[in-house]
Amino acid sequence: DAKTTQPTSMDCAEGRAANLPCNHSTISGNEYVYWYRQIHSQGPQYIIHGLKNNETNEMASLIITEDRKSSTLILPHATLRDTAVYYCIVRARDDKIIFGKGTRLHILP
Amino acid sequence: EAQVTQNPRYLITVTGKKLTVTCSQNMNHEYMSWYRQDPGLGLRQIYYSMNVEVTDKGDVPEGYKVSRKEKRNFPLILESPSPNQTSLYFCASSPEDGGFNSPLHFGNGTRLTVT
Repeated sequence: DAKTTQPTSMDCAEGRAANLPCNHSTISGNEYVYWYRQIHSQGPQYIIHGLKNNETNEMASLIITEDRKSSTLILPHATLRDTAVYYCIVRARDDKIIFGKGTRLHILP
Repeated sequence: EAQVTQNPRYLITVTGKKLTVTCSQNMNHEYMSWYRQDPGLGLRQIYYSMNVEVTDKGDVPEGYKVSRKEKRNFPLILESPSPNQTSLYFCASSPEDGGFNSPLHFGNGTRLTVT
């Protein structure tokens, strides 16, 4: 079973920041937080990952709370092409990647 | 261009007729994996391979075979397909460690229908 809880769906206006929450209250110290997304029925695409520090790359920012029990993926200026299902995944090195049901993000024009 | 290529993209077949879905990556990745995706069940791992000649079962291996004779190729074989194998299939690869330090790269999927 997935170790994360995400809202089923969210809406965000185009051009605004999309903030996608993820709850992982049982996370262990050696487990990382990963985010992938899947646009329509294409293959999932890696976005970002982190352990405890906040991370930023060209696609997004990842904010992990100090107790590591939750995190937020931030898409700073959402576009219509960001409409997708976003998966938050928690795993340690020898664990399998388990994709849960994710959050369906709708970007509204 | 670095990519994972699956073929075919769409396949309709009949029960019991052996088929192979090919997967090839041009990134010299050691790790490769197959997933199936079904509505309400998410992505489930079928088989994975940490390196050439090394394969292991994932969560739903029944009814599938794989081989890893070369680093770049990881075909998925259905010896006797059944309708419950109708699904969307994805191949993925990563440099090593199954996507832990390096992201998984996914192919564009193969939509299989077994009648």
